[in-house]
Amino acid sequence: IAGITQAPTSQILAAGRRMTLRCTQDMRHNAMYWYRQDLGLGLRLIHYSNTAGTTGKGEVPDGYSVSRANTDDFPLTLASAVPSQTSVYFCASRPQALPAGELFFGEGSRLTVL
Amino acid sequence: AQKVTQAQTEISVVEKEDVTLDCVYETRDTTYYLFWYKQPPSGELVFLIRRNSFDEQNEISGRYSWNFQKSTSSFNFTITASQVVDSAVYFCALSEAFDGEKLTFGTGTRLTIIP
Repeated sequence: IAGITQAPTSQILAAGRRMTLRCTQDMRHNAMYWYRQDLGLGLRLIHYSNTAGTTGKGEVPDGYSVSRANTDDFPLTLASAVPSQTSVYFCASRPQALPAGELFFGEGSRLTVL
Repeated sequence: AQKVTQAQTEISVVEKEDVTLDCVYETRDTTYYLFWYKQPPSGELVFLIRRNSFDEQNEISGRYSWNFQKSTSSFNFTITASQVVDSAVYFCALSEAFDGEKLTFGTGTRLTIIP
């Protein structure tokens, strides 16, 4: 593995179901992020983690939760999926939570909620 | 609050033409960073460039160039002699020193290069 791995790549989900999107990085980056990408809206930050053990809310956190038990993993959970959560989800990381740092992105997880 | 505006939703140009993608930003901070990312049809996001607010020198990298103007709060991206492989969605983004964990993206410009 090199970089960021997201799973699943694609998923169709019934409304009301619980879903966890997985994100693993092998770069030992401290900071990790979840974005959602929607047509016409660009990428919007859902949650972030500056270092293992800490998390914070982004621009659109409602309906989502995250955890950061260790440096490598940053799962995103939808407790009860709704159709408005249909989107492409990107996990990203950077070495430190510094504003100058470029983000490294995973390949995305396409989620459809019916 | 920080904001990034990419007014051009879609642009199409014929191959070998030059094209400029506009980016206008808003920030309350005096120290900030601007980025451009490329998202080709395969879907991944690729970092292109970073610029800090104290460096207004324009940058050229091959066929790509960036024009940063603080006076107009703009960070425009020009592709010279465009190629089909340049077809992608391009995102401009802003990060403030004050609120560094948040990288705010524009809505993107879809560029199509016509062979």
